Amino acid sequence: AAGVIQSPRHLIKEKRETATLKCYPIPRHDTVYWYQQGPGQDPQFLISFYEKMQSDKGSIPDRFSAQQFSDYHSELNMSSLELGDSALYFCASSLGGGTAAYEQYFGPGTRLTVT
Amino acid sequence: RKEVEQDPGPFNVPEGATVAFNCTYSNSASQSFFWYRQDCRKEPKLLMSVYSSGNEDGRFTAQLNRASQYISLLIRDSKLSDSATYLCVARTDSWGKLQFGAGTQVVVTP
Repeated sequence: AAGVIQSPRHLIKEKRETATLKCYPIPRHDTVYWYQQGPGQDPQFLISFYEKMQSDKGSIPDRFSAQQFSDYHSELNMSSLELGDSALYFCASSLGGGTAAYEQYFGPGTRLTVT
Repeated sequence: RKEVEQDPGPFNVPEGATVAFNCTYSNSASQSFFWYRQDCRKEPKLLMSVYSSGNEDGRFTAQLNRASQYISLLIRDSKLSDSATYLCVARTDSWGKLQFGAGTQVVVTP
């Protein structure tokens, strides 16, 4: 079965640079979630989109922005990168948002290293 | 304090044995619960959704106790491939963001 696709899988950037992470949800899934997992930590929710509208916002820095496009793929844009942004970034997708939200399936993640 | 608390382990389990561990959640408004497993540097993979009546999937059994606000996972006949970190997850609000515990490490030994 098709899974969540994330690109790139690995990304190395320098401080103050920008990065764009992409997520392609499972076909027919309309909800996308972004999570950040630092070394030795559990995933932390950043932001989510349902039907191309932002549905919830977590601990996402103001330097980050995201959107969901008409084909339901999502992009996480990160500017003025800091060393502390080095982490695994996971995208998850589910069918339905709001009270009809179902299980979330995670992509393989993008490992971002800021030097 | 984290909303979802787990014993980090590690739980060292002989192959073929049974292991069980719990997690507790602090938000009584939590609506749904899940167990994910995560292998080193990989994505969390959904293991089970936890229903109020408890549910079983092969060698895995999950239980939910809303009165005491804890969720349990039991693994029977442990396999070497069960070695992983098991993440207890709660979903509180209707928009679906997940609150993760820090994970319980399970190491199955030959």
